[in-house]
Amino acid sequence: DSGVTQTPKHLITATGQRVTLRCSPRSGDLSVYWYQQSLDQGLQFLIQYYNGEERAKGNILERFSAQQFPDLHSELNLSSLELGDSALYFCASSVATRALTSGANVLTFGAGSRLTVL
Amino acid sequence: AQKITQTQPGMFVQEKEAVTLDCTYDTSDQSYGLFWYKQPSSGEMIFLIYQGSYDEQNATEGRYSLNFQKARKSANLVISASQLGDSAMYFCAMSNLYNFNKFYFGSGTKLNVKP
Repeated sequence: DSGVTQTPKHLITATGQRVTLRCSPRSGDLSVYWYQQSLDQGLQFLIQYYNGEERAKGNILERFSAQQFPDLHSELNLSSLELGDSALYFCASSVATRALTSGANVLTFGAGSRLTVL
Repeated sequence: AQKITQTQPGMFVQEKEAVTLDCTYDTSDQSYGLFWYKQPSSGEMIFLIYQGSYDEQNATEGRYSLNFQKARKSANLVISASQLGDSAMYFCAMSNLYNFNKFYFGSGTKLNVKP
């Protein structure tokens, strides 16, 4: 168990629908990152939050939105779903946004939420 | 712009042999970190090893070592004494050490360990 909790693990829905993916970061981690991994592809960075504030945006569609709450959990909202949105969505967390001198500020990943859009 | 390149989509290795997974990167940053992650068929992403751009010695973590050649901008992962459980996708990643907003991932290498 990495300490990063993602729910749901699997989700099947229809085109046009809206879903919410939830992430609880590892205890003590302030930063949350969302990544999308489509079939047989690498990870695409979507968005990052640090202590409740959006810090960086990647290739996130306008139909997608996210937020980080005061208790540091984060939600990724996907709306007007299309077939191409089917993917594994990862949440990752880290301690801070700056490297720690003692070593890596490593991204710790959750187990992912597998979304299937039919 | 940052870029990570993994040129080996798939590799085979015999059990108990060593294998090197290639990773090259492109960055204009002076301070950066390089990471390797393992993704088994179950899907989770597991952190393996880290190398900082200012680290003079190559990082090692058990059977994993990172062959860091800064001038060539390469950060190859070496797995010694391969085990069947090493069969997985392996991703190389990079981040600026002072701007941890984005981690850049390579496309991955699928490693198959043969008995």
